[in-house]
Amino acid sequence: KAGVTQTPRYLIKTRGQQVTLSCSPISGHRSVSWYQQTPGQGLQFLFEYFSETQRNKGNFPGRFSGRQFSNSRSEMNVSTLELGDSALYLCASSLFSNEQFFGPGTRLTVL
Amino acid sequence: AQSVTQLGSHVSVSEGALVLLRCNYSSSVPPYLFWYVQYPNQGLQLLLKYTTGATLVKGINGFEAEFKKSETSFHLTKPSAHMSDAAEYFCAVSERDYKLSFGAGTTVTVRA
Repeated sequence: KAGVTQTPRYLIKTRGQQVTLSCSPISGHRSVSWYQQTPGQGLQFLFEYFSETQRNKGNFPGRFSGRQFSNSRSEMNVSTLELGDSALYLCASSLFSNEQFFGPGTRLTVL
Repeated sequence: AQSVTQLGSHVSVSEGALVLLRCNYSSSVPPYLFWYVQYPNQGLQLLLKYTTGATLVKGINGFEAEFKKSETSFHLTKPSAHMSDAAEYFCAVSERDYKLSFGAGTTVTVRA
């Protein structure tokens, strides 16, 4: 079974731009969660989607948004990029709440 | 709300020595507890998890952890370190939903 895939793996943007990251979950998994990892703040929960509905949201500004499609693939969008948005963005998929499988991440650099 | 504290941001061990990584958590409900490992430029890989039942859980690569409710701890151990164990380790807690709260991480270096 293929694992969680994230595209692109690396991205460079400039301040003020917007970016869209994509995540394809493991086949059959309907829950997709997103996390931001930075050296200063560590791993922080962004949001979780299940059957195209956002069920849980972390403490991030409205510039961070996401969505999930009917095939469970998910995208997250960051608008008006700031330098502090530079991070590794990790996606995880789940069948049940007691286990999450992580993708390799998208490394976003904001210049 | 749940939270995790990992004691020690860096641990250095000799090859063949015991690896002990400490994790304490807080949770308002019976938690799910996890240990993940991250190698450079990679995502997180699940080492082991505690959900219910036996408090001593065994994971991959020879790691194990013990859930101690009275101490709100979930420490990770491996009897004999291998060079391939050099990585960053994260303890995480969830309140039985799909939101993980992570500790700050512990970087393990293994000396030959």
